[in-house]
Amino acid sequence: GAGVSQTPSNKVTEKGKYVELRCDPISGHTALYWYRQSLGQGPEFLIYFQGTGAADDSGLPNDRFFAVRPEGSVSTLKIQRTERGDSAVYLCASSLGGNGEQYFGPGTRLTVT
Amino acid sequence: GEDVEQSLFLSVREGDSSVINCTYTDSSSTYLYWYKQEPGAGLQLLTYIFSNMDMKQDQRLTVLLNKKDKHLSLRIADTQTGDSAIYFCAESIPSDGNKLVFGAGTILRVKS
Repeated sequence: GAGVSQTPSNKVTEKGKYVELRCDPISGHTALYWYRQSLGQGPEFLIYFQGTGAADDSGLPNDRFFAVRPEGSVSTLKIQRTERGDSAVYLCASSLGGNGEQYFGPGTRLTVT
Repeated sequence: GEDVEQSLFLSVREGDSSVINCTYTDSSSTYLYWYKQEPGAGLQLLTYIFSNMDMKQDQRLTVLLNKKDKHLSLRIADTQTGDSAIYFCAESIPSDGNKLVFGAGTILRVKS
């Protein structure tokens, strides 16, 4: 596709469940970023991939959060034992290299009930 | 630490100019960005400026950077109702993998 895509667009889950959020970056973009945006706030950095490896995961809030990018393209953000405080919009962005402009997907709105 | 601050709300009349302001703290920032977010949508990259520049113009958008005061502004000329959105300022931190640090956003309301 022409832009960054994310699936699902909306996810409602019960507290304690496991969820996976998917990001398809722009073709050819080597860098991929995950951010989280809470209501009324700007996005906050979670993790950054350069190729297949996580170059910086300092923004992940705790060990319930994990992300992978096994083939250097699609990435999955995984959240275990979800809590109500995890409710937010999860945004993915990609860039051509580590120094390029970041282009964002439409986000996945996660609601934990 | 890194911190980006913006005013929360701006209201202008259609046809007027809008000026959205932002301050940042990290002096090592290389690029400073402006993103636009419409309701229920993702972030759209509007423009950016390299930190060794003072000004950048792109059609109706003018970005001014005062590096000494760590102040960034976005001017929108001839503001239209379609410009109503939330505008985010962001800095990239080269020592931190170029992750973006965002402000909380400025809500721009354009009255017709």
